[in-house]
Amino acid sequence: AQSVTQPDIHITVSEGASLELRCNYSYGATPYLFWYVQSPGQGLQLLLKYFSGDTLVQGIKGFEAEFKRSQSSFNLRKPSVHWSDAAEYFCAVGNFGNEKLTFGTGTRLTIIP
Amino acid sequence: GAVVSQHPSWVICKSGTSVKIECRSLDFQATTMFWYRQFPKQSLMLMATSNEGSKATYEQGVEKDKFLINHASLTLSTLTVTSAHPEDSSFYICSTLPQGAREQYFGPGTRLTVT
Repeated sequence: AQSVTQPDIHITVSEGASLELRCNYSYGATPYLFWYVQSPGQGLQLLLKYFSGDTLVQGIKGFEAEFKRSQSSFNLRKPSVHWSDAAEYFCAVGNFGNEKLTFGTGTRLTIIP
Repeated sequence: GAVVSQHPSWVICKSGTSVKIECRSLDFQATTMFWYRQFPKQSLMLMATSNEGSKATYEQGVEKDKFLINHASLTLSTLTVTSAHPEDSSFYICSTLPQGAREQYFGPGTRLTVT
C-alpha cells in the first residue's frame, strides 16, 4: 500500500526566508507525486506534480520540488516566502492505473514578519 | 485547469436528517469522481470513488448505506449523508478525474455541521 509521510506538522519561517517542506513516500513502483496547498476553509490548489522525466519540477507561485528516488522523497522548496504563502501544504502520492491519491498529514506553514 | 464546483459551500442540519452535496465538473466530462472528508486540522481521507453509470466503490471503513453516492451524469456526482449525526460534521471535498488524465481537480469543499 502506498503511504506518505510529512514529518513536520508545523513550520514557522520569516518572510523572505527560504523554505523546504519534507515529504517521504512509500510505493513499490514509480509514483505520481503532488503538492497541494490549502488555505483555511478552502479546497486544494495544485502547486506542482511529478509523473516522470526531469526530477526537478517547477510549479506555481515560485515553488519547486525534487524527486529523489533513492531517498523516496519529494521535498517542496521556495527560495523566498511571502506572507501569502501561509497555509496548509499537503503532499500526495498516486499511481498509474489506480488514480487514488494518498495524502500526507499536512504541514502548516506560518510566516512571521 | 479544470473547474469543479460544489454546492452548498456550507450547510447546517439537525441530527437525524439527510444532506445532499453536489459536485459538478463545469468544463469537461468526468467519468470518475472522488469524495474525500477532512476533519479539522487533519488530512484528506478518501471515502469513495464514483464512476458514472455504476456503483461507487467505497474505502474500507466507510459505510455505503450512510454515505450514498450517485454519479448519474458525466458532470454531476452527489453525496448524501443519511441520518446525519454530529460525528459526521466535517469538510467534504470532491475531485474529478478527466478521462485519460492523471491529475485530479478538486472542488472548493462543503462544510457540514450537524447539530
